[in-house]
Amino acid sequence: GAVVSQHPSRVICKSGTSVKIECRSLDFQATTMFWYRQFPKQSLMLMATSNEGSKATYEQGVEKDKFLINHASLTLSTLTVTSAHPEDSSFYICSALTGADYGYTFGSGTRLTVV
Amino acid sequence: GESVGLHLPTLSVQEGDNSIINCAYSNSASDYFIWYKQESGKGPQFIIDIRSNMDKRQGQRVTVLLNKTVKHLSLQIAATQPGDSAVYFCAENAPEWDSNYQLIWGAGTKLIIKP
Repeated sequence: GAVVSQHPSRVICKSGTSVKIECRSLDFQATTMFWYRQFPKQSLMLMATSNEGSKATYEQGVEKDKFLINHASLTLSTLTVTSAHPEDSSFYICSALTGADYGYTFGSGTRLTVV
Repeated sequence: GESVGLHLPTLSVQEGDNSIINCAYSNSASDYFIWYKQESGKGPQFIIDIRSNMDKRQGQRVTVLLNKTVKHLSLQIAATQPGDSAVYFCAENAPEWDSNYQLIWGAGTKLIIKP
């Protein structure tokens, strides 16, 4: 089946630094990827939709200059949290659209802690 | 799409009993519905899906029921096991022209299995 590999699974960084999260589709081409953020005991919140080769579409209230998304190839999308602050600490999840049957495959998530 | 819900309902079920998790969806134009299971610290895992031209679909130990009249979706888990402990999310998707393939997520239900 379709697999999305997300790395790192956990990261701790200092305030003011940047962190990059990678999502790779291992056995299929992902033309569309979604990035989510999830706070404890809450549902997934869509941050942005990225299509390969074009700029990401950000949801209202998500700062595009802070959460940089790059989807330069059909198998890799990255989310960079720039100038991270403690309030950016969260669980970040990527998801790829796998094909015409609306299949979605999720990464295993990244726990970001900003200290 | 935006996630809804700022709290996490909980369902406690005796091991071996059947579990029924309910979800009210929001968009009458939605034509695809998915149930996901999320274990602590992991990404969502696909359980079962159903399209709007069906009202019932069965998988291994799971059944999804769709009532379009009242915009209600349910997930039934037969003979609940300790490994079923997780948070369960329903997600809906409208036609591509209306949603850009984005999923709208329910608030989630935490399923606790009592021994």
